[in-house]
Amino acid sequence: GAVVSQHPSWVICKSGTSVKIECRSLDFQATTMFWYRQFPKQSLMLMATSNEGSKATYEQGVEKDKFLINHASLTLSTLTVTSAHPEDSSFYICSASDRGLGETQYFGPGTRLLVL
Amino acid sequence: QKEVEQNSGPLSVPEGAIASLNCTYSDRVSQSFFWYRQYSGKSPELIMSIYSNGDKEDGRFTAQLNKASQYVSLLIRDSQPSDSATYLCAPLNNAGNMLTFGGGTRLMVKP
Repeated sequence: GAVVSQHPSWVICKSGTSVKIECRSLDFQATTMFWYRQFPKQSLMLMATSNEGSKATYEQGVEKDKFLINHASLTLSTLTVTSAHPEDSSFYICSASDRGLGETQYFGPGTRLLVL
Repeated sequence: QKEVEQNSGPLSVPEGAIASLNCTYSDRVSQSFFWYRQYSGKSPELIMSIYSNGDKEDGRFTAQLNKASQYVSLLIRDSQPSDSATYLCAPLNNAGNMLTFGGGTRLMVKP
């Protein structure tokens, strides 16, 4: 099956630090990548959708200046949490899809962010 | 009305029983449906997809789709404790480019 990786898997940082998370599709070209956030015992929350080479589309209530998304190539998207604060501590998960795969979304393993 | 509705559970079944997970959706145009499993602390993993009305079987899993009723279900036969997880239903949106996730049903299989 299609494989999506994320790096790093864990981040602990001080408040005010910017954190970059990478999402890669390893064996397919992802026309679309998605970024989700999940707080403990809560549902997946879609943050934004990005297509290669174009600006990301953010969900209502998600600050685009705080969560910078760059979909630089068909296999790489990055999410940068700028000036992270404790309330940004969460589980960040990316997924990738491709029309050739029937728009099935394949998820990365997630990145757990803890802001002190 | 939520776009995708699932009973949050927990749904508790004994080991070896059939677990039945249900999902209703509001977008009549949806043509493709996906079931994901999410273990606690992990990211979702794809179980199966279904596109046509009726049943689709894959091992111990059977997905059922009724587009007229806007209803999709997942049956797990011979449930095992390792099946204990949250199951997410996700129809493909009408633009055909994004999944809409339900809140998930937490399944507990007791030995």
